[in-house]
Amino acid sequence: GDSVTQMEGPVTLSEEAFLTINCTYTATGYPSLFWYVQYPGEGLQLLLKATKADDKGSNKGFEATYRKETTSFHLEKGSVQVSDSAVYFCALTINQAGTALIFGKGTTLSVSS
Amino acid sequence: SAVISQKPSRDICQRGTSLTIQCQVDSQVTMMFWYRQQPGQSLTLIATANQGSEATYESGFVIDKFPISRPNLTFSTLTVSNMSPEDSSIYLCSVVSGNNQPQHFGDGTRLSIL
Repeated sequence: GDSVTQMEGPVTLSEEAFLTINCTYTATGYPSLFWYVQYPGEGLQLLLKATKADDKGSNKGFEATYRKETTSFHLEKGSVQVSDSAVYFCALTINQAGTALIFGKGTTLSVSS
Repeated sequence: SAVISQKPSRDICQRGTSLTIQCQVDSQVTMMFWYRQQPGQSLTLIATANQGSEATYESGFVIDKFPISRPNLTFSTLTVSNMSPEDSSIYLCSVVSGNNQPQHFGDGTRLSIL
């Protein structure tokens, strides 16, 4: 079945460090890919998305590129801030109306000053 | 994107009782979903809330335990019935506004059962 695999956390970085969170997927169709972020005590917010191969999603300095050849959608940021501390979820949905999301297990990021 | 209001935001309940969670959207949406997030875990889909008909449940979730209503295109409820400590989780509503639109989530309901 369809699935998402994320790198295990927690990830601990110093402010201004480079961030990569790996995400790979397995899907029978042509999925859309997403990164969601959950700040402490809050719900999920959509961070970025990509709907087809080679698309790059970007938002708030984060970016991820849909790589069909490696079935990956790694999240990157060049310089993290303390305020980026949160749980990051990679997710997919098969590109059909009304299909629910399949989530990875989430990666906790902790950034210290 | 749609503004999603979930109520209550948190509750502490007694074992054996039931709680109904509401999800209200400020505009009509095509799809509404309910997810559960157990402590320290990822999100698991409970069911798709279908407007005017019975919800579609995922494996491991049943209507008797998690009855869902969706009377119109902007509102849905999830009831957690006969609660036990294992039901302590965050319950999240999500919506899709149209074709090829991403899902957006409410802030969730943090439920603790004593």
